[in-house]
Amino acid sequence: EAGVAQSPRYKIIEKRQSVAFWCNPISGHATLYWYQQILGQGPKLLIQFQNNGVVDDSQLPKDRFSAERLKGVDSTLKIQPAKLEDSAVYLCASSSGTSGGKGDTQYFGPGTRLTVL
Amino acid sequence: AQSVTQLDSHVSVSEGTPVLLRCNYSSSYSPSLFWYVQHPNKGLQLLLKYTSAATLVKGINGFEAEFKKSETSFHLTKPSAHMSDAAEYFCATRDYMDTGRRALTFGSGTRLQVQP
Repeated sequence: EAGVAQSPRYKIIEKRQSVAFWCNPISGHATLYWYQQILGQGPKLLIQFQNNGVVDDSQLPKDRFSAERLKGVDSTLKIQPAKLEDSAVYLCASSSGTSGGKGDTQYFGPGTRLTVL
Repeated sequence: AQSVTQLDSHVSVSEGTPVLLRCNYSSSYSPSLFWYVQHPNKGLQLLLKYTSAATLVKGINGFEAEFKKSETSFHLTKPSAHMSDAAEYFCATRDYMDTGRRALTFGSGTRLQVQP
């Protein structure tokens, strides 16, 4: 079974530029998550999709971050304009969303390491 | 609101000796608890999870964890460390909510170093 795919793996941009990340979840997984992992910290949820609808975006900085999941499969996360503090690893995860919630396992992709100069 | 505290930011053991990584949680509801491992430049891999069944949970690669409600702990152990266990380990919790929100709340991580 193929895992969660993400691209690019690395990205370096200047502050105030824009950047986009792409995620392809495990086939058939209804739920997709984007997490931000700053160096030395645990991942923090940015947004959760159920199919193509947003379930939780309470910690997404909506003035500069946006995300979409058209057709309920692939997803893109965009930052515009980027700030220095956005330097982090952006992790995408997916889960089947069918096991009643408590045991629903999230599977993570390799992440995109963003450096903002 | 739920939270997780990993009591050690760094643990160093010798190969072949036991591993103990400590995690305490705070949760308003009946929590699910998870341990993930992250090798350099890799994504997080699930080691094991607790979802209110057996309190002693066995995972992959010889790891296990015990859920202790009275102590609000979920410590990760392994009888004998291997060099390949060197990595960053994250404890995470998730409250089950009817709203459909499934966000994991992670601790800050414990870096395990294994000495030859």
